[in-house]
Amino acid sequence: DTGVSQDPRHKITKRGQNVTFRCDPISEHNRLYWYRQTLGQGPEFLTYFQNEAQLEKSRLLSDRFSAERPKGSFSTLEIQRTEQGDSAMYLCASSSGTRSSVAQYFGPGTRLLVL
Amino acid sequence: EDKVVQSPLSLVVHEGDTVTLNCSYEVTNFRSLLWYKQEKKAPTFLFMLTSSGIEKKSGRLSSILDKKELFSILNITATQTGDSAVYLCAVAPGEGGSNYKLTFGKGTLLTVNP
Repeated sequence: DTGVSQDPRHKITKRGQNVTFRCDPISEHNRLYWYRQTLGQGPEFLTYFQNEAQLEKSRLLSDRFSAERPKGSFSTLEIQRTEQGDSAMYLCASSSGTRSSVAQYFGPGTRLLVL
Repeated sequence: EDKVVQSPLSLVVHEGDTVTLNCSYEVTNFRSLLWYKQEKKAPTFLFMLTSSGIEKKSGRLSSILDKKELFSILNITATQTGDSAVYLCAVAPGEGGSNYKLTFGKGTLLTVNP
């Protein structure tokens, strides 16, 4: 399978704990995005990488959230001191970054439940 | 702030019906509009539209964009139960920088009954 993969698919944690999610984009894609989706809503943009550079962060991304893409391949999203409001589906997407296409391809997501 | 509004929010039809889903948008710098299908997992890319009036087709699905009136429609003919999903509309901004973050609507939940 050469699509976007995410790990884990599900995570249950207690409030106050730290969690880390991983995303492996499509191999030839240099752009990587994180989104968050809650029930009944469309995905909301969190942050974006071009290669290893984090080029944009949403104001939704509080200082408890940090994302990295150290070698321009896989990315991690860490949430520190989780809160119940962090419960959501965290989606990763990638795109080729060519001028002709902005289509983003999504992974299966990591569903986070904070108790 | 960019805004995408989809209607209806939910729709129930019988197999064989034709449905039209609507998406209107307000963006400061438009590049493309995208449609995704989301079942109980991640959104699956359907179409990307950049120019007005050019219909995109894939089997029983088709979509068209009107950049003057700032909306798009997604048509599904001869619906099947497998079409049941949330259909998401998103807009991509133009080249004001190096980002292409998508702004999504809330989606239309389509239920096709046998």
